[in-house]
This record gives sequence, structure tokens and C-alpha cells, in this order.
Amino acid sequence: GEDVEQSLFLSVREGDSSVINCTYTDSSSTYLYWYKQEPGAGLQLLTYIFSNMDMKQDQRLTVLLNKKDKHLSLRIADTQTGDSAIYFCAEKRAGSYQLTFGKGTKLSVIP
Amino acid sequence: GAGVSQSPSNKVTEKGKDVELRCDPISGHTALYWYRQSLGQGLEFLIYFQGNSAPDKSGLPSDRFSAERTGGSVSTLTIQRTQQEDSAVYLCASSLKETQYFGPGTRLLVL
Repeated sequence: GEDVEQSLFLSVREGDSSVINCTYTDSSSTYLYWYKQEPGAGLQLLTYIFSNMDMKQDQRLTVLLNKKDKHLSLRIADTQTGDSAIYFCAEKRAGSYQLTFGKGTKLSVIP
Repeated sequence: GAGVSQSPSNKVTEKGKDVELRCDPISGHTALYWYRQSLGQGLEFLIYFQGNSAPDKSGLPSDRFSAERTGGSVSTLTIQRTQQEDSAVYLCASSLKETQYFGPGTRLLVL
């Protein structure tokens, strides 16, 4: 299977919470990241979490990490139409510098 | 402050021609990365530069691809004898520590 897996699509109504999930396979992952990509643009770093943490909150964003299950999630509270984009989960493994990305989850926000 | 910049933003070329893609990293960042984003393959690591060390070229897909980084700052990715399968978005990132910041990418179309 893929090293980092994400569901491809998510649709939510404006004002609701969005939860984007990601699973990874390498237990040596040291950092896990969430990037946002809007159409025609590069990758914007949203947030990241160190592997010895289980939660990180930053304004409307909450990252949860379950290291035992190798599961990462990104919760966006009060989702807005401007949050419509593709969200990429990425891991950085111990001893490596490159990031391994999932295929991305396309979030559509319905007004 | 200034982020990672890339040029050109778009490039259309004919099969068999050579192309050069440029990346200006964030000032002071010692590490520079090139990734390729294509529909079929997602985001793939290409090459990594760290300071004055020899680059890690393990992700380059063929010997038609090469990259250099002059003076520890600007980097150029060169693709020789371009093929249609080289069509993709080429993303550059730079980092000082564990977080990689991406540029807007160069969209390459090989006709």
C-alpha cells in the first residue's frame, strides 16, 4: 500500500467542522505536516506536529496524532468557503530530510 | 518576509528541447529541495541540497534531469531533451530546520 494515505474528497457545509484523515506506515516518522494547496498555487504550510505530541491547536485548526495507530487528523472549525482547497498530509522520517506526501484530500465547502 | 520564489511560473516547450527552472530560497535557509507534482504520481521528491554538502540526487527520474545550487542560494533544475511525461508542476522548497516552505511552482507543459 501507499506510505501515506488520505481519502480523496470531502464535502462539508459552510460553518460546519471538517475533519481530514491521514494514515501513515512508518513508525519512525518524527514530524507530520499539513499543507494546503489552492488552485494554481504552491503548497502552504498550515501546521505540523512532532511525533511525541498527541494534539496541537492553532486557531481554527486542531491536529490529532495517534501514534499507535499511525493516524493523523486535521480538524477545521467553522469551515469557510475560503478553506476549499486540496490538503496534503506529509511525514518526515527519522534520518531523512525529504517529505513523503499523501495524494491529497480535496475539500469542497458548500455555501 | 519574502518567501520562496520560482521562475518561470509557466513554461511550454516542445518535446526534445531543454528547459531550466529557477528557485530562489528564503534568505538564510541552508536546505533546498525540488519536488515534482504530477497527476498520476502525486508529489515526488527529486533532489536535496544542504549547505556545501554533495546533493542527494536519489529522486531524479533519469539522467536527463540535473540540478545545481550556486553559492548556497539560488538553484536551477535542468531537464534535457524534454519528454511529454515530464509535464508536471515543479515545486521548490527551502528550510532551516524541520519545516519546509514551498514556492508557487513552475508549471511545465511539454508538447
